[in-house]
Amino acid sequence: SQKIEQNSEALNIQEGKTATLTCNYTNYSPAYLQWYRQDPGRGPVFLLLIRENEKEKRKERLKVTFDTTLKQSLFLITASQPADSATYLCALPWMDSSYKLIFGSGTRLLVRP
Amino acid sequence: DAGVIQSPRHEVTEMGQEVTLRCKPISGHDYLFWYRQTMMRGLELLIYFNNNVPIDDSGMPEDRFSAKMPNASFSTLKIQPSEPRDSAVYFCASSLSQNNSPLHFGNGTRLTVT
Repeated sequence: SQKIEQNSEALNIQEGKTATLTCNYTNYSPAYLQWYRQDPGRGPVFLLLIRENEKEKRKERLKVTFDTTLKQSLFLITASQPADSATYLCALPWMDSSYKLIFGSGTRLLVRP
Repeated sequence: DAGVIQSPRHEVTEMGQEVTLRCKPISGHDYLFWYRQTMMRGLELLIYFNNNVPIDDSGMPEDRFSAKMPNASFSTLKIQPSEPRDSAVYFCASSLSQNNSPLHFGNGTRLTVT
């Protein structure tokens, strides 16, 4: 069955540094991958989508990579700020339906001022 | 647009009681999803609808759970009877029909069953 793994330990970094979060998946090759941000008490908010034929995608300080050989996506936040502190989730479509998204457990990011 | 609206925000009930969670999707979105989030299991898909029709309910835990979408602007998730293990945050999300469209989530209903 499909599995998504994100680092369950919180990532604690200093303001201004680059945060790098990892999403690994097994057992199939998704056509795309999405990243979401979740703040306490709120629903996840979509950030970026990357397709299988794209190696990298950027949006302002955010960068996502997609390595279909390693079955891994990296999510980077450059020049991190305390306001970037949140939980970040990756999501992949299910094998049997591209409309169903399966989510990783998320990685909590803490940016110290 | 107000986004996806869920009610209530918090629900505390006793074991055995019926619970109804409500969702209003974003206007024009024709997919609606119900997810459940717990610390142990993360975000799990329960059921999703397309044009008000249930497409896949394989994630619904058991017969105590049911979901309906009587029209394009309203959906309910009902638990009857509720059990303590149903305690979780329940999210509703909606999306457009393109197959890589992002999900737009509501802010969830935190359910506590005592």
